[in-house]
Amino acid sequence: EIVLTQSPGTLSLSPGERATLSCRASQSVSSNLLAWYQQKPGQAPRLLIYGASSRATGIPDRFSGSGSGTDFTLTISRLEPEDFAVYYCQQYGTSPPITFGQGTRLEIK
Amino acid sequence: EVQLLESGGGLVQPGESLRLSCAASGFTYSTYVMGWVRQAPGKGLEWVSGISGSGGSTHYADSVKGRFTISRDNSKSTLYLQMNSLRADDTAVYYCARGGYTSHVALNWGQGTLVTASS
Repeated sequence: EIVLTQSPGTLSLSPGERATLSCRASQSVSSNLLAWYQQKPGQAPRLLIYGASSRATGIPDRFSGSGSGTDFTLTISRLEPEDFAVYYCQQYGTSPPITFGQGTRLEIK
Repeated sequence: EVQLLESGGGLVQPGESLRLSCAASGFTYSTYVMGWVRQAPGKGLEWVSGISGSGGSTHYADSVKGRFTISRDNSKSTLYLQMNSLRADDTAVYYCARGGYTSHVALNWGQGTLVTASS
């Protein structure tokens, strides 16, 4: 099973700043099948990025994903008030088990 | 518009069973992988189970293998999760998710249904 470790656990930033979230895998993620999700309190998660760097439908271009192999990054170029939430990475490989990282909480400084 | 509507959650005693349903609409249901993801109170996301579009291939997390069964009825565009021998640590919000044609990325999510296993 691939273990995903996200860092930092909590990130405190101000609106307008740039956010960089990290996701490291315990072994190489097959075909870069790595996704990022955003979850706000009381809501279901929402897909932001799939295939490590492709934005999902309707996701603003301030969200971008990068990386390959074992190291992946989600970048939010200029934080908007609605971006403060919890972010999860997920590897969905070529076959289960599917795993999620433990999450990064992005909070307003 | 893709819609996923879960039902069937509730309070049960440890050792009991429960069946969750997820009614899907807004897409060609039979061509997509479907799955269940859960979230214990105050915790992160945990993938539970997935099923291919035809229903011929199923997968489970080790934590539920042998106790939970995923299935789908493509004629009704509905996904199911039969949960047997429920334990306290199965307590969570259970989300239904639409995957890709063959992958288990969660393109769309339902609103979730709460399952509580407690005496």
